[in-house]
Amino acid sequence: QVQLVESGGGVVRPGRSLRLSCAASGFTFSSFAIHWVRQAPGKGLEWVAVIWYDGSYKYYADSVKGRFTISRDNSKNTLYLQMNSLRAEDTAVYYCARGITMIVAVTPFDLWGRGTLVTVSS
Amino acid sequence: DIQMTQSPSSLSASVGDRVTITCRASEGISNYLAWYQQKPGKVPKLLIYAASTLQSGVPSRFSGSGSGTDFTLTISSLQPEDVATYYCQKYSSAPLPFGGGTKVEIK
Repeated sequence: QVQLVESGGGVVRPGRSLRLSCAASGFTFSSFAIHWVRQAPGKGLEWVAVIWYDGSYKYYADSVKGRFTISRDNSKNTLYLQMNSLRAEDTAVYYCARGITMIVAVTPFDLWGRGTLVTVSS
Repeated sequence: DIQMTQSPSSLSASVGDRVTITCRASEGISNYLAWYQQKPGKVPKLLIYAASTLQSGVPSRFSGSGSGTDFTLTISSLQPEDVATYYCQKYSSAPLPFGGGTKVEIK
C-alpha cells in the first residue's frame, strides 16, 4: 500500500524541541523528493521544507529557517523534521507529502500523509 | 520570494452553478501552478498541475487555465461533494508557497 505515515507530534513548551518522522511504504522512497507542509488550526496550508530524493539539497520556508532541519534516511524509508526553538505559532498539523515525479524535486504533491498535530503551549 | 494570492477567500453558489477561483502570482511562474482540494477534516488532494492538466481520477467538471501570473480554477457545474477549500500552489522553484485558500459552500 502506497502511503506516508507521520508520527512524533504532541504538546511541547515554547523554546523546546521535537522531532517528527514520516514513514513511507509501497513505493521507492529513495527516488522522490519529500516535503513537509503544515496547517495551523482553522488556517490554510503552509509549505515548510523540501529535501531532494538523495538528500543533497534542502530548502526551507523563511518562517522556519534556522530552527527546523529536514533530513531523510533512505535505508529506513523515513523522513524527519527536527524542530528546535518552537513557538506558539508553530502549532499545526504537520503533513509529509511526496512530489508527483521521481527525481525532480520541485513538483506538486500527489501523496500526503494524514498528518501529526504539534501543539506548542506553556 | 514569490507570493500567491487567491480570490475570493470564500464563495457560496448553487448546485449546478459555474464557479471560478482566481490565483495570482507576484511574479511570472510560467505554467508551474497546481490546484488542491481539501474537504473538511480531510487531507489535501491534487486536482490540477501544470496549470491545466487534470490529475488522474479528477472529474472533468474541474478545469484550470492561465500562464505567467494569472490562473483560474473552474468548476463547470458545482456539485454537493465539491464543498471544500481550494488552494493554488506554485512550483516553479523552491520555496513552494500556497495561496490563502478559497472556501466553497453550497447556497
